[in-house]
Amino acid sequence: DIVMTQSPLSLPVTPGEPASISCRSSQSLLNGNGYNYLDWYVQKPGQSPQLLIYLSSNRASGVPDRFSGSGSGTDFTLKISRVEADDVAVYYCMQALQTPYTFGQGTKLEIK
Amino acid sequence: EVQLVETGGGLMQPGGSLRLSCAASGFNVGSNYMTWVRQAPGKGLEWVSVICNGDSASYADSVRGRFTISTDNSKNILYLQMDSLRAEDTAIYYCAREVPPPMVGNYLDNWGQGTQVTVSS
Repeated sequence: DIVMTQSPLSLPVTPGEPASISCRSSQSLLNGNGYNYLDWYVQKPGQSPQLLIYLSSNRASGVPDRFSGSGSGTDFTLKISRVEADDVAVYYCMQALQTPYTFGQGTKLEIK
Repeated sequence: EVQLVETGGGLMQPGGSLRLSCAASGFNVGSNYMTWVRQAPGKGLEWVSVICNGDSASYADSVRGRFTISTDNSKNILYLQMDSLRAEDTAIYYCAREVPPPMVGNYLDNWGQGTQVTVSS
C-alpha cells in the first residue's frame, strides 16, 4: 500500500498570514497519463469531507484562489495565501493512483 | 444536482451485521465508481471500498472478507453489507462518488453526510 505522510499535523496560523501543508507519498503518484493522482480534501468541524484540490494542482469548483496545490511524484504541497477564520478545518491529502486509496493523517489548521 | 444520503447506521454488538445504504440522485450509481470511506471517532479518514460501474469491487485489508459493496441500479442505491462487525469498525461511514469520465482522475467529487456505526457490547 502507498503510505501518505503529512506535516505538520497541527498548524496554528494568524489571520492574513500564509499557510503550507506538506504531503509525501511512499511511491510516485505520477500516472502514465502525465497526471499526479494526488488530491486534497477539507473537513470543517461537524461536516463531511469535501474536495479541495484534485490532480495535485486543480482547484475544485467554488474553491477560492487563495488555495493552491503543487508538486509531482512523491512531494506535494497545499498552500493558503492568506488564511481566514473560515479556513479552520482538517486538511487531508489522498492518493488515488491505486487501491487501496490512502489518506494522510490530516493537518488541523487553527487560528492563533 | 448530485446528492448522496446515507442511512442504516446504528448500534450493533460485536459479531453482528448491518447494511448501510447510500441513496443517490442526479446521476446513476451503476454507471459510476462509488466509494465508502470511514472515520473512527477523533481519527482521520480511511478508504474502505470501491465498486466500479456496479460490477468489480475492491476492499481495504481491514474489511476484506467481512464487508460487501454493491449497488441496486433500479433504486439508484449504493450498499455496504457489514458482517462480523468488530469494535474497530466503529466510525462514521461516508459514501462518495468518484469523478466520472471523461474527467481524468479518481478523485471523490461528491460526498454524503455520513452515518454513524457503533459496535459495542
